[in-house]
Amino acid sequence: DQQVKQNSPSLSVQEGRISILNCDYTNSMFDYFLWYKKYPAEGPTFLISISSIKDKNEDGRFTVFLNKSAKHLSLHIVPSQPGDSAVYFCAASGQAGTALIFGKGTTLSVSS
Amino acid sequence: GAGVSQSPSNKVTEKGKDVELRCDPISGHTALYWYRQSLGQGLEFLIYFQGNSAPDKSGLPSDRFSAERTGGSVSTLTIQRTQQEDSAVYLCASSLTTPYGYTFGSGTRLTVV
Repeated sequence: DQQVKQNSPSLSVQEGRISILNCDYTNSMFDYFLWYKKYPAEGPTFLISISSIKDKNEDGRFTVFLNKSAKHLSLHIVPSQPGDSAVYFCAASGQAGTALIFGKGTTLSVSS
Repeated sequence: GAGVSQSPSNKVTEKGKDVELRCDPISGHTALYWYRQSLGQGLEFLIYFQGNSAPDKSGLPSDRFSAERTGGSVSTLTIQRTQQEDSAVYLCASSLTTPYGYTFGSGTRLTVV
């Protein structure tokens, strides 16, 4: 049973437009959420995170929104750039001392 | 080292053979994690080591899988009697605290033929 779901396996966006990647979770005990980015043949790298006490966190072109009542978070990238083309993983953490739980990932393709 | 190092980067093995995958975490990182990514799948948690505590093995898919972490540093993931469904990229990560600041290695691509 997947606790972290990324229902869109892929997303295509034009350069300069906004990319919106979505993530849903089922466990209400999750209190910390992260997005990771992965290029082929490399390990995932941390992108941005948000604590459950916030509903928005921004870092440059990247903003994560959290809707706790809907158990939904989204990553907005604006403006999108071709170098953003990668697989994006949503991850969640529950109680301290437990490992992150990842979604299946969304492959973002940004065309110039 | 500067990052998490995994070896080998690629491994092709025959079905039924045993394999060992190695992970060198970032020096000083007390937490170490193994995940795997099968084709079309997300990052599946396998096992987690935290300091001297007993590891969380809840993600290991079968008793053919085992892992150890020697001296709180290097970790080895062993898969016995490999099966074709074990083919995946095995990723190791380490962090100073849990669950923040994971740094992943580049992974070991295991192919069982």
